[in-house]
Amino acid sequence: GENVEQHPSTLSVQEGDSAVIKCTYSDSASNYFPWYKQELGKGPQLIIDIRSNVGEKKDQRIAVTLNKTAKHFSLHITETQPEDSAVYFCAADDQTGANNLFFGTGTRLTVIP
Amino acid sequence: DAGVIQSPRHEVTEMGQEVTLRCKPISGHDYLFWYRQTMMRGLELLIYFNNNVPIDDSGMPEDRFSAKMPNASFSTLKIQPSEPRDSAVYFCASSEISNTGELFFGEGSRLTVL
Repeated sequence: GENVEQHPSTLSVQEGDSAVIKCTYSDSASNYFPWYKQELGKGPQLIIDIRSNVGEKKDQRIAVTLNKTAKHFSLHITETQPEDSAVYFCAADDQTGANNLFFGTGTRLTVIP
Repeated sequence: DAGVIQSPRHEVTEMGQEVTLRCKPISGHDYLFWYRQTMMRGLELLIYFNNNVPIDDSGMPEDRFSAKMPNASFSTLKIQPSEPRDSAVYFCASSEISNTGELFFGEGSRLTVL
């Protein structure tokens, strides 16, 4: 099955700075890569996703880049705000099995005011 | 729509007791998922249903776990007998399009087995 690794596990940035979270995956056939944000006491919520036919996607302060050759993708948050503080999960679909989503272990982002 | 609704939000029970977690997916969503979240293993898919039919239960840890979806608006995850290592947050999620479409998660059921 798919193996998704995520780094770093924790990340602290000053408000206004950028934050970057990186993930690698093992299944070269994977073609869907979502990012979820989980706030304290809540379930994860999709914030952005990318499919393998594009290399970058942007939505306001959030962007995701994908390098299929290297099998890694990254989440970029610019001009961070305190409300960006949460746990972020990357995921990749598994084309070799039942085509399920496999999640990374999460990154706890803290934005310091 | 109110989103995915899970109950109970918190459950504390003793080892050996039966635990039943409940989920109401978003109306019109054909896919329903049960995930378990722990610090050690992160988010793990336990089982998912498509049109009330279990499609992949390979993530169910062992026979003590069972899940049902008797109709499009209700699903249960049962643990019998429960063990301390089952302590985790259990999430239900639903999706309209596919098992790799956007997942809408409930707020989770935090289970503590003493």
